[in-house]
Amino acid sequence: DADVTQTPRNRITKTGKRIMLECSQTKGHDRMYWYRQDPGLGLRLIYYSFDVKDINKGEISDGYSVSRQAQAKFSLSLESAIPNQTALYFCATPDRNTGELFFGEGSRLTVL
Amino acid sequence: QKEVEQNSGPLSVPEGAIASLNCTYSDRGSQSFFWYRQYSGKSPELIMFIYSNGDKEDGRFTAQLNKASQYVSLLIRDSQPSDSATYLCAVNPSGSEKLVFGKGTKLTVNP
Repeated sequence: DADVTQTPRNRITKTGKRIMLECSQTKGHDRMYWYRQDPGLGLRLIYYSFDVKDINKGEISDGYSVSRQAQAKFSLSLESAIPNQTALYFCATPDRNTGELFFGEGSRLTVL
Repeated sequence: QKEVEQNSGPLSVPEGAIASLNCTYSDRGSQSFFWYRQYSGKSPELIMFIYSNGDKEDGRFTAQLNKASQYVSLLIRDSQPSDSATYLCAVNPSGSEKLVFGKGTKLTVNP
């Protein structure tokens, strides 16, 4: 099983719908991140959480919210999806000793 | 804004050749440097990390770091078609525990 699991892997939705992307990890790490990837724009940080009670905005948090339900679970919500939120979303968790990021498989979201 | 710059490519090399991927960064105090490989539609996977000036070799891959010039490079020897992917450079700026990613260089290895 993957160390970082994301659901759903693919989702097509309509403008205005609420969407939740879920992430769980078995690495035992305290930190979890959500990234968005668009062609030509690289990986951009949406939100990051250093522990259950410490949640911070990244560089592109507008239109998104998150919830850290437990150390192992971090979900990303789009309250009212819009077409320019169509992207590939990654959850990741860092190893605090090495700095290496462990990524989930990604969630491809299409907003029509 | 702490930045990481990479040539977007595409970089095309013949099979068996050396592929050279370059990355520059703006924060002189950066301490940790990473190269990730990402196949289309897949998640990034770590190839190498380097912390100290000089070269670090792992199989066909060599990472090179020059902190004075603020660049880090990745050499892939004996390139194979399976190396065709986008390579992401990532840096830990000083005072931050979050990686900053470059936009990636797309590499194509032609059989």
